[in-house]
Amino acid sequence: KNEVEQSPQNLTAQEGEFITINCSYSVGISALHWLQQHPGGGIVSLFMLSSGKKKHGRLIATINIQEKHSSLHITASHPRDSAVYICAVSKSGNTPLVFGKGTRLSVIA
Amino acid sequence: NAGVTQTPKFQVLKTGQSMTLQCAQDMNHEYMSWYRQDPGMGLRLIHYSVGAGITDQGEVPNGYNVSRSTTEDFPLRLLSAAPSQTSVYFCASSLNRDHYGYTFGSGTRLTVV
Repeated sequence: KNEVEQSPQNLTAQEGEFITINCSYSVGISALHWLQQHPGGGIVSLFMLSSGKKKHGRLIATINIQEKHSSLHITASHPRDSAVYICAVSKSGNTPLVFGKGTRLSVIA
Repeated sequence: NAGVTQTPKFQVLKTGQSMTLQCAQDMNHEYMSWYRQDPGMGLRLIHYSVGAGITDQGEVPNGYNVSRSTTEDFPLRLLSAAPSQTSVYFCASSLNRDHYGYTFGSGTRLTVV
């Protein structure tokens, strides 16, 4: 079983919809990262969080350490949000990142 | 501009050729790493470094070498390219991987024929 699981694998939404992408992990972590990768593009770090909630524009990331679960929310989705969203964790003990396989989001106008 | 610079962006190699993928950062980050990204596999760690003079293997190190002679540079060497090394390669750095975010390079798309 992968240490980091994301759901759904693929998601199609209409413009304006509220979107949620989920990430569950099975190991102790020091931090969780959400990354964004546009088609054919580079990887951008959206959030790093170890507790609670962070917000940047229309993006919100939450984490529940007890439940080993994080969510990435996009409010008022737009076609430019179409990308692959990747969850990754920094495991406790100063070890390299462990990645989920990503969620491919398509937002249709 | 501060960030991670990867070169080249695209490369085609013949089987058996060698080459070096360059990665440089100007943020004084201690931690640097190389990943490959393949369809359906997600990002997999090849090698990483926690500081100048220190490197270690990741999940898929075979066929690759790295060195870290300076804080800024972390080149990835393909010793004898194989078609299985066709992939997109990303370099990433972080000030401290436990407590800081990561900055990724723009990627190198490598095809081995």
